[in-house]
Amino acid sequence: SQLAEENSWALSVHEGESVTVNCSYKTSITALQWYRQKSGKGPAQLILIRSNEREKRNGRLRATLDTSSQSSSLSITATRCEDTAVYFCATSSAGNKLTFGIGTRVLVRP
Amino acid sequence: DMKVTQMPRYLIKRMGENVLLECGQDMSHETMYWYRQDPGLGLQLIYISYDVDSNSEGDIPKGYRVSRKKREHFSLILDSAKTNQTSVYFCASSLGTGTDTQYFGPGTRLLVL
Repeated sequence: SQLAEENSWALSVHEGESVTVNCSYKTSITALQWYRQKSGKGPAQLILIRSNEREKRNGRLRATLDTSSQSSSLSITATRCEDTAVYFCATSSAGNKLTFGIGTRVLVRP
Repeated sequence: DMKVTQMPRYLIKRMGENVLLECGQDMSHETMYWYRQDPGLGLQLIYISYDVDSNSEGDIPKGYRVSRKKREHFSLILDSAKTNQTSVYFCASSLGTGTDTQYFGPGTRLLVL
């Protein structure tokens, strides 16, 4: 089965700085999604990037996908305290399921 | 406003009791999911439902069963709950499957004593 995993357990930045969360996976995929989960809430999708795309942006968020190295990154610029959350990557293949990584905790300090 | 709801939000049960977790969505999505989330393990898929009475096991179905009699409702049932089923349970829905965005509910925190 495929495995998606983020490469850091936790990251801490000051408000206004940029932060990057990395993800690696082990099998071919059709798409990769980034989700954010704030404390006490369910995950919410941030970006979907398909296997034939290399970069996708959504406001202050930028996701990249490198299928040759089977890796992806999510960068957040001009971070705010409300960006504090757990960030997950999730991969989909030819089947019907998403496989989620265990998540990276991002703490944005004032 | 697109919404997935879960009831109850918090539940305490004794080992051996039956548990019913309910999920609803107002988006007429065909596909619904049940996940559990444990520290260090991420989200694990328990069951997926493709439509009414069309359910399929996920990665960890043992000890669980589901019911979907209406498109907008999806129930997770634990018959004779076990202490290792203590977890946070999330329901999600999507228009289709595969790369479609999944919309998650707020979760149910279940404690089995």
